[in-house]
Amino acid sequence: QAQLGQSGAEVKKPGSSVRVSCTVPGGTGNTHLISWVRQAPGRGLEWLGGIILVFRNTKYAKKFQGRLTLTADTSTATAHMELSSLTFDDTAVYYCARGAVLNAIVGNWYDSWGQGTQVIVSS
Amino acid sequence: QSLLTQPPSASGTPGQRVTISCSGSNSNIGSNTVHWYRQVPGTAPQLLIHSNTQRPSGVPGRFSGSRSDTSASLAITGLQSEDEADYFCATWDDILDCYVFGTGTKVTVL
Repeated sequence: QAQLGQSGAEVKKPGSSVRVSCTVPGGTGNTHLISWVRQAPGRGLEWLGGIILVFRNTKYAKKFQGRLTLTADTSTATAHMELSSLTFDDTAVYYCARGAVLNAIVGNWYDSWGQGTQVIVSS
Repeated sequence: QSLLTQPPSASGTPGQRVTISCSGSNSNIGSNTVHWYRQVPGTAPQLLIHSNTQRPSGVPGRFSGSRSDTSASLAITGLQSEDEADYFCATWDDILDCYVFGTGTKVTVL
């Protein structure tokens, strides 16, 4: 499967925001779902939300509504995740993942993943 | 707290059969298809099973999935040393309206 490429590690202060990017193979007319999943140290996987690239339809997990923004730049086939009001609990590896079913958020699964971006929140 | 409960660990000797359970509810496993991911620590998850029972191309036939009511299972037959990893079930939850993962199971090959 095509591999997604993510931006590099970030260190942020509490209360600030972080933006992570994900480059999606497949061109600019991409109807794939790109979702964001995070994994805190020693913990399991947590879904934050997803965006259909070309239509920019989004869905956010309720836990992150209000401080998570997902965007897509179709000219470069890149998805972006911005998480604001960071706390120490946001320290995690953030993955982007591509949905296997085109143009669908609900009922999808993830067949290709980025390498992960380490985000550390530290004072 | 995860809505999908898995045993924290499972183990077996090479060649044995290991099964991992995933227990949910009517709003998730009872209403939507289940998927399984494998993760070697320090690397990204990889899709193992989708739509309850379907193996993507490239996934060995010793991995199989099943679903019944509000539970699902992953079976590994003919366990191999390279199967040591963390395994997560996942599905959509209609009440939370989001994708949810199981608590994860660490498989050890003795």
